[in-house]
Amino acid sequence: NAGVTQTPKFQVLKTGQSMTLQCAQDMNHEYMSWYRQDPGMGLRLIHYSVGAGITDQGEVPNGYNVSRSTTEDFPLRLLSAAPSQTSVYFCASSYSTSGEETQYFGPGTRLLVL
Amino acid sequence: GNSVTQMEGPVTLSEEAFLTINCTYTATGYPSLFWYVQYPGEGLQLLLKATKADDKGSNKGFEATYRKETTSFHLEKGSVQVSDSAVYFCALSEVDSSYKLIFGSGTRLLVRP
Repeated sequence: NAGVTQTPKFQVLKTGQSMTLQCAQDMNHEYMSWYRQDPGMGLRLIHYSVGAGITDQGEVPNGYNVSRSTTEDFPLRLLSAAPSQTSVYFCASSYSTSGEETQYFGPGTRLLVL
Repeated sequence: GNSVTQMEGPVTLSEEAFLTINCTYTATGYPSLFWYVQYPGEGLQLLLKATKADDKGSNKGFEATYRKETTSFHLEKGSVQVSDSAVYFCALSEVDSSYKLIFGSGTRLLVRP
């Protein structure tokens, strides 16, 4: 199993540009989530999905869109990038079964918005 | 709301020293508790977890015990190595909400030879 994969690893954008961060998992996990990591703040939840076709907002959803058309994929879209979105983005997945709460994280995407 | 508080870093230790990183939490019900580790330039890896009160999670010489009475999940290791230098995150998830981890701010550990 490849686990959770993310692309790209690094991206530079100009203010106002759009892009999609890709996330895929091959563990048949029902749950998938996107977090951003900023210095001194830990990780904060952006959006999450409890299954194909179902998404919801986390703690910091503004400026981001998500969709989940398949179990495997959970892309994160920035429609109009802003410097405040400069961060490291992590995708994670987990089972829905009680007792299997561990989230598995991808390697991250480092985004710089100029 | 739910929250996790960790001791601020950096924590600087000499090799073979004893390590404690404090973590306390605020939550309703009985959350699951986790320690994740992030090595330089890498993503987060699960270090250990505990899913109910008095459970002890352990891995790679690290241990943490789920203390309901003190709402704590302190990370300990008896003898640290240079290779343990990393950032350590304490986190919790509510029952049936494993898609939503709430993280502490992280504690950087530096181990000197």
